[in-house]
Amino acid sequence: DGGITQSPKYLFRKEGQNVTLSCEQNLNHDAMYWYRQDPGQGLRLIYYSQIVNDFQKGDIAEGYSVSREKKESFPLTVTSAQKNPTAFYLCASLPALSYGYTFGSGTRLTVV
Amino acid sequence: QKEVEQNSGPLSVPEGAIASLNCTYSDRGSQSFFWYRQYSGKSPELIMSIYSNGDKEDGRFTAQLNKASQYVSLLIRDSQPSDSATYLCAADGVANSKLTFGKGITLSVRP
Repeated sequence: DGGITQSPKYLFRKEGQNVTLSCEQNLNHDAMYWYRQDPGQGLRLIYYSQIVNDFQKGDIAEGYSVSREKKESFPLTVTSAQKNPTAFYLCASLPALSYGYTFGSGTRLTVV
Repeated sequence: QKEVEQNSGPLSVPEGAIASLNCTYSDRGSQSFFWYRQYSGKSPELIMSIYSNGDKEDGRFTAQLNKASQYVSLLIRDSQPSDSATYLCAADGVANSKLTFGKGITLSVRP
């Protein structure tokens, strides 16, 4: 079945540590997105990529980095510069904007 | 900054009632509108999309769009406890390639 796979489901980060969240899709979608969700804040866009080897900053890119070396993969690195990384992270993809996003199941990141 | 706004919640309705969820958007160029349902601890799931003025029905769900008033709504008929979730409204934009989301409204259906 086609879909988006995010891993891990839960992730714990120590202070000062970089961590990478995985997002893989087998839907053959060109565009991929990373969102962060905090309680009462809705979805906030971190980064997005419309084609391989190209990506754009979203509204809250500071402290995060991404790469898009393959069409299927769009990993997100949460760096130590992100001071408040505890949140629910969602990866999404779409073939065209009019279809709406398909979301992965999410990664819940907690700082310990 | 293009915005999508959802009116204040949470919303509580009795089982069997009609739940009405509303959303306004600021970008007059938006063409595609979406309603997502998100259960607690889960990712959003697309339940309705609408592109033209008027109503679009799918089972117990009806999406309504009024581009002149920049208003989108979702009606849930015969509400069930399983409809209890947060509902997110989203719209595309004229000059960008991403969706803008409202903050969501939490619906609770009382048995």
